[in-house]
Parts: sequence; structure tokens; C-alpha cells
Amino acid sequence: DGGITQSPKYLFRKEGQNVTLSCEQNLNHDAMYWYRQDPGQGLRLIYYSQIVNDFQKGDIAEGYSVSREKKESFPLTVTSAQKNPTAFYLCATQIDRASGHTEAFFGQGTRLTVV
Amino acid sequence: GQQVMQIPQYQHVQEGEDFTTYCNSSTTLSNIQWYKQRPGGHPVFLIQLVKSGEVKKQKRLTFQFGEAKKNSSLHITATQTTDVGTYFCAVVGDYKLSFGAGTTVTVRA
Repeated sequence: DGGITQSPKYLFRKEGQNVTLSCEQNLNHDAMYWYRQDPGQGLRLIYYSQIVNDFQKGDIAEGYSVSREKKESFPLTVTSAQKNPTAFYLCATQIDRASGHTEAFFGQGTRLTVV
Repeated sequence: GQQVMQIPQYQHVQEGEDFTTYCNSSTTLSNIQWYKQRPGGHPVFLIQLVKSGEVKKQKRLTFQFGEAKKNSSLHITATQTTDVGTYFCAVVGDYKLSFGAGTTVTVRA
């Protein structure tokens, strides 16, 4: 069953704790992205990766970290340095730019609540 | 990176009426994409426009790319309750995909 799997769907953490959000894909897509969405807001880019072992900061990278050790996986760590981490986090993939297919496919999202 | 502005932020529509949402950029765009996010869901790709002046239709949805490739519009005719959600435009540039703030549509039955 092909797709993008984000886990868990809901996550609760205490303030000051780091937390890692999982994103796994079996679509064999090269590019992967992490976006943050706040209520009534658009999608803000946190980090993105075009190939394995390489990633770039997006518009709101402060307080977050990522890794891309495997093509299939792009985990996002929300650190204690992130001032307001409560949000809906979306992982997305793209096929590859060279093919011209640049539409993004999204996971179901993880809703993180920090208390 | 490339920035796009979407207007209006909110659109309240009577069922059966038409409406249009716009996506504007200060720079020329190579292409533009549109996505729909249902309440509680994730964004789903609708369409990509590449050519100047391009118009594409999907049933009651009409997408247009401006002649100068600096703006795009999504027009929905005869709005239905299934059209509820947030519509985003997105641009591919600098090897990343950036989204507008979205237009959230509610429908009055």
C-alpha cells in the first residue's frame, strides 16, 4: 500500500521536552518536506530535502532539526528551543524535479500539543 | 524565496453561487499549483499551470494562469457543500515548494 505515513496522529508533550515526528514514504520520491500549519493559517516550510544526506532550512527552521539518512525517511525533531511548538505538522513528498512532476503528496499529519 | 499572496483569506458563499479566489506574486512564476484541504484533512493536489494564459477546467472548477505569469485564479461555479475547505496556491522555486496562506471557504445551505 503506497503512501506517506506520519506517526503518531496525535502527540502530547510537556514543555521543555524534545519530540520527534516520524515521516516514512514508500513512493520512491526524491524530495521530502516538513510544513507547519497553525489554526486558520497557511503552510509554513520548516525543512526540506532533495536527496539523501542533504537538507535545507525553510522559512521557520529555528527550534527544529531533521535528518535524511534514508530516502524513505525524514524525521522532524521539535526541540525545547521552539517557542510555540503546538501546531499541525505535515510531511510531504515530490517525485523529482527532473521529471517535471512537481506536485506534492501529503501525509495525514501529526497534531502536536505541548502542555 | 518566491512569495504568493492569496485573497480573500475567507470566502462565505451561498450554495449555488459562484466565487473566485486569487493568487498574486510580485515576480514571474515558472508554474503554479493549486491544492484543496478539507477540514481536518491534509492538502490534496488539484492542478498545475505552466503556460502563460493557461486555462484548465475540472468539472465546476476553472483555473487560470495570468498572461504575465504573476497571478492565478480559481473560479468555482454553482458552489456545493462539498466545496468546503481551504484552497492553497503553491509555487515551485529555489528547489522548494512554497504555499500561499490559503482561502478558507464556507458554504451556506
